[in-house]
Amino acid sequence: ETGVTQTPRHLVMGMTNKKSLKCEQHLGHNAMYWYKQSAKKPLELMFVYSLEERVENNSVPSRFSPECPNSSHLFLHLHTLQPEDSALYLCASSQDKGHGLGYTFGSGTRLTVV
Amino acid sequence: GQNIDQPTEMTATEGAIVQINCTYQTSGFNGLFWYQQHAGEAPTFLSYNVLDGLEEKGRFSSFLSRSKGYSYLLLKELQMKDSASYLCAAEGMDSSYKLIFGSGTRLLVRP
Repeated sequence: ETGVTQTPRHLVMGMTNKKSLKCEQHLGHNAMYWYKQSAKKPLELMFVYSLEERVENNSVPSRFSPECPNSSHLFLHLHTLQPEDSALYLCASSQDKGHGLGYTFGSGTRLTVV
Repeated sequence: GQNIDQPTEMTATEGAIVQINCTYQTSGFNGLFWYQQHAGEAPTFLSYNVLDGLEEKGRFSSFLSRSKGYSYLLLKELQMKDSASYLCAAEGMDSSYKLIFGSGTRLLVRP
């Protein structure tokens, strides 16, 4: 375990389903991130939360909806997804001004949309 | 724009040395990270360079040239367990602190 826990590890959902991904950290970090990792593509930054406030939303479709109720928890709510949304979704945390400290990643949720 | 380039795949032999290159073009550059990611696992921190030069850490070393927008990760005395993806990431700070990643280099170590 890295200190950042993601659940579930694997998720298969239909295009009409609604599901949520959960991320939890107890490292005392004050920034959290959602990244999408597709095969042979760079990690794509989706959302950034700093002190529970969303500070960046990288043109992500509205079928992905983040929620950060406190500095330790981050959710990604999913609805009416498309097959191309199948990917590994990684959560990470850091200190907000974390120069040189980088991220601590969770192990990811492998999402398959059928 | 922001762009990180690294080779897609590399193959090397157990016990050998391999160098994985990374070139970057980013705004607000602070430093350069290398992460290792085994299949199905979280990326884990390997190294961080903020000044030009070589940082050595056991079998792994990382080099940075800020003027050339270039970095490499050097792995010595390769072991089978080093087979993994290696992610180059540029650290930036504009509206928020964030890392911009390359596509990763998948390294296969053969006996």
